[in-house]
Amino acid sequence: EVKLLESGGGLVQPGGSMRLSCAASGFTFTDFYMNWIRQPAGKAPEWLGFIRNKANGYTTEYNPSVKGRFTISRDNTQNMLYLQMNTLRAEDTATYYCARSKSDWYFDFWGPGTMVTVSS
Amino acid sequence: DIQMTQSPASLSASLGETVSIECLASEDIYNNLAWYQQKPGKSPQLLIYYASSLQDGVPSRFSGSGSGTQYSLKINSLESEDAATYFCLQDSEYPFTFGSGTKLEIK
Repeated sequence: EVKLLESGGGLVQPGGSMRLSCAASGFTFTDFYMNWIRQPAGKAPEWLGFIRNKANGYTTEYNPSVKGRFTISRDNTQNMLYLQMNTLRAEDTATYYCARSKSDWYFDFWGPGTMVTVSS
Repeated sequence: DIQMTQSPASLSASLGETVSIECLASEDIYNNLAWYQQKPGKSPQLLIYYASSLQDGVPSRFSGSGSGTQYSLKINSLESEDAATYFCLQDSEYPFTFGSGTKLEIK
């Protein structure tokens, strides 16, 4: 059974940093691109970026809206995906999801999400 | 960025009816469009990819169509479990972008 489980969310002050994690199981992790997507309450999701699979050298692609502040990485020995978020702003408040994709296209499975609140 | 204009924002229909949801892209996305269903408090679930391909396990009452800049999701024979918010996603060009969503209420 495919499983993705995000963790690490919570309350952080503006200007602070946070690292989110996503534990993957039930599939061959290195075969898949792994994405981060966020969704403010009551709004549409926003794709943040992905890290490619083994065949494509684990390179990354980012949404310009977060490029330079957010960094996506993966530990393929532990089947873990990470999102390092720096210089956080109130508008980064959202539920953050990890999701897998077979290539640079649609996401076929999402985790349940973790909430991040940026507030003083 | 490619803008995805989704309509309507909300929709109310009765059990057994058929409904359609539209997404208009700001440029040609060459059928690189997916549809998702999201229920309250849950993560989105993939329904359709590449405009008209049905994801495994999704009921056949869901179908997708379109080309170029115009795409639609049709739901036949509405069931109570179809009450949800539906989003389109273009995966033609970075950054991938979503439509604003359609909230479907079942009367």
